[in-house]
This record gives sequence, structure tokens and C-alpha cells, in this order.
Amino acid sequence: QKEVEQNSGPLSVPEGAIASLNCTYSDRVSQSFFWYRQYSGKSPELIMSIYSNGDKEDGRFTAQLNKASQYVSLLIRDSQPSDSATYLCAFHSGAGSYQLTFGKGTKLSVIP
Amino acid sequence: GAVVSQHPSRVICKSGTSVKIECRSLDFQATTMFWYRQFPKKSLMLMATSNEGSKATYEQGVEKDKFLINHASLTLSTLTVTSAHPEDSSFYICSARGFDAGQGNTEAFFGQGTRLTVV
Repeated sequence: QKEVEQNSGPLSVPEGAIASLNCTYSDRVSQSFFWYRQYSGKSPELIMSIYSNGDKEDGRFTAQLNKASQYVSLLIRDSQPSDSATYLCAFHSGAGSYQLTFGKGTKLSVIP
Repeated sequence: GAVVSQHPSRVICKSGTSVKIECRSLDFQATTMFWYRQFPKKSLMLMATSNEGSKATYEQGVEKDKFLINHASLTLSTLTVTSAHPEDSSFYICSARGFDAGQGNTEAFFGQGTRLTVV
């Protein structure tokens, strides 16, 4: 059974601070990892994808992957109120079907 | 990124009727599409994997006779909720696999979702 564990939160950070979101996964053959942002009542939006160990930066977002520890994180620098949403961690094994397994999501609130 | 269009965005239907939800990939061909259901404050639960030209693969616990999936072309998959009941009220989301030229990788793109309310 493939599983993804996330702290459901809510995680509250002040505007301008760094928000740190964490995720662990159980499937050791997982190849690809994704962070999605979901606003209330909307469908998920891809924020970051990461495929190899280390850090990947895109604007204010940095994804970190450690396959040995089965751990992936997302850092949001200079958090803005518009970043307030639920962040979903997901992965797939890369076995061809591209079936994603999602975590339950962490609700982030950025306080002005 | 690639665009996936899902329609309708909201639907209210009476108990016992059927509802069809469409999912279209607008600028790419999707051999595989996925249908998810999301209850309030819960994560996305995969219902089925839809393959063009073949029968869908359903996840354990999902009734294939109740949730009919058709993937007749490379750009269109439909989900029909048959004989809907109030407990079927949920947020249904489709996803299609496509190549994102900007990222240089194959990514999953989501439709806008359909809020189904059965009264």
C-alpha cells in the first residue's frame, strides 16, 4: 500500500516568513514527486516537481528531496496571504501509468 | 502548461437521475486520464484510470456500474454518475497526462473540477 503522510495543519505563518511543508512517503521505488496547491473549492494546481535528490528552486518555492529518508519538503519564502491554501504532496513510481498517490494535504494560513 | 477542460463546473441533480461529466485535453492528446473524488477537507481519492479505447480500471471499492467511464478519443473522457444519491455529492476532478514543454517533463494536469450536489 503506497502512502503519503503530511501534517494536516493548519500551519500559520506571518506574512514575509518562510513556510515549511513536509511529506514522507512509503514507496521506495517512487521516482517523481510533486507539490500541488489547492484553493478551497478549486482543483489542484502544480507548484513544483522534483525527480532527483537535492534542492530545486523556482521563484519563492524550493522543493527538497531525500530519497534515502523518503522525505520531500516545500519551502515558501516571503510568504504572502495569497499563498494561503492547502498544499498536497504527491508521487508516482514512474512505472508508466502515471498514477499519482496524494497525501491529505497541509493547510497553510499566511497571516497579514 | 497543458490545458484540461472539465464541464460542468457545478451541477445539482435530483436523487435517482444520472449526471455526465466531461473532461477534455485541449492542446494535447491524453492516452490516459484519471478521475478523482474529493470530499470536504479530505484528499483526492483516485476512482479510476481511463485508457483511450479500452475499459477503465477502477480502484477497489468504486462501483464500475455506478460510475461509468468512457474514453472514446484521445482528447475526451466522460464520467457518468448513474442513479445518483445524496452520498454521491462530492467534488469530482479529472486529470490527464501530458508533456509540459516548459518543464521538459510529462506532468499531470487537472481539470477545474465538478461540484456535484444530489438533492
